[in-house]
Amino acid sequence: DAGVIQSPRHEVTEMGQEVTLRCKPISGHNSLFWYRQTMMRGLELLIYFNNNVPIDDSGMPEDRFSAKMPNASFSTLKIQPSEPRDSAVYFCASSFDWGNTGELFFGEGSRLTVL
Amino acid sequence: RKEVEQDPGPFNVPEGATVAFNCTYSNSASQSFFWYRQDCRKEPKLLMSVYSSGNEDGRFTAQLNRASQYISLLIRDSKLSDSATYLCVVNRDTGRRALTFGSGTRLQVQP
Repeated sequence: DAGVIQSPRHEVTEMGQEVTLRCKPISGHNSLFWYRQTMMRGLELLIYFNNNVPIDDSGMPEDRFSAKMPNASFSTLKIQPSEPRDSAVYFCASSFDWGNTGELFFGEGSRLTVL
Repeated sequence: RKEVEQDPGPFNVPEGATVAFNCTYSNSASQSFFWYRQDCRKEPKLLMSVYSSGNEDGRFTAQLNRASQYISLLIRDSKLSDSATYLCVVNRDTGRRALTFGSGTRLQVQP
């Protein structure tokens, strides 16, 4: 079975450029999460959706970040304009019953480097 | 203060050793707790849930102390393949609910 699919796996860009990260959750999962991981701050929740609706976006750093989930099988995280401090691994995760099982299924991550 | 705090380690132990990690959480209303494992440059994966009465899964034992607000993970008979970062995870259950991850404790099992 296909897991969570993220693209691109790696991206190197220059400061000020727009970055779009993509995620395809596992079919049948109704919750989708975007996390960011850095050495300094660990794994931070940016936003999560339930049934395609954003539930908690309090972790989104600032207006430069936006996330969408137009349908149950696709989500994007956009950074515009990007800054060097945005360099991190961005993980997308999905789940069906995470509130009870605590199980999120993570993608392999998108490693972003902003020069 | 971070919501979930862990000793970053690394814990360097020989094969066969027993090693324990602790994790503290700040929100006393937290409802559920988990341990995840993350291999180097890989994604996190659920290792086990943590139940109030304590629970075992093979060589792994998880315990919860609500009064002191800490969670522990004990690994017996360490294997080389146990080398990874172990993330403590808490369900804040604040109404909008979300899982909060600790920064992880790195374990290196040596031959």
